[in-house]
Amino acid sequence: GAVVSQHPSRVICKSGTSVKIECRSLDFQATTMFWYRQFPKKSLMLMATSNEGSKATYEQGVEKDKFLINHASLTLSTLTVTSAHPEDSSFYICSARDRDFPTNEKLFFGSGTQLSVL
Amino acid sequence: AQRVTQPEKLLSVFKGAPVELKCNYSYSGSPELFWYVQYSRQRLQLLLRHISRESIKGFTADLNKGETSFHLKKPFAQEEDSAMYYCALRGDSGGYQKVTFGTGTKLQVIP
Repeated sequence: GAVVSQHPSRVICKSGTSVKIECRSLDFQATTMFWYRQFPKKSLMLMATSNEGSKATYEQGVEKDKFLINHASLTLSTLTVTSAHPEDSSFYICSARDRDFPTNEKLFFGSGTQLSVL
Repeated sequence: AQRVTQPEKLLSVFKGAPVELKCNYSYSGSPELFWYVQYSRQRLQLLLRHISRESIKGFTADLNKGETSFHLKKPFAQEEDSAMYYCALRGDSGGYQKVTFGTGTKLQVIP
């Protein structure tokens, strides 16, 4: 089955540093990838939609300059949390949609990244 | 705006008892509803979708547009059903589609 690899699974960093999270589709090509964050006991909140070769579409309230998204290839999207602060500590999850099934509602999820900013 | 509400954070049932995980939604258009499941230490995966009207692992869900609900049901709970369940809605937003998730319900099946 389709697999999405997300790395790293956990990262601890100092306040003010930047952190990059990678999301790869291993056995399919993903024209669209989604980035979510989840606070404890809250729902998955969509942050942005990443389309290969074009600028990401951010949800209202999500800072574009804070959360840089790059989707340079059909199998890789990255989320960079710039100048991270403790309030950015959260669980970040990516998901991908298979290019060959553009209307396929199946989303394939990464295993998530727990970010802790000290 | 699209919104998904799962009122129960935790649902505990005994093995063999019926299960109903509630999901209500708010959306102005014609929604597509899904249920996702996350077993312990595994990633989220699709359980079922309303358009296919399929039954996965004994679970079913019917879209009730009048009540704007998409409750997940199973007649007889099994221990392996213990997991986190998320209801999700896919809809159009500003010309592109996005998926909105509920806060999730943890199902605990007691042996």
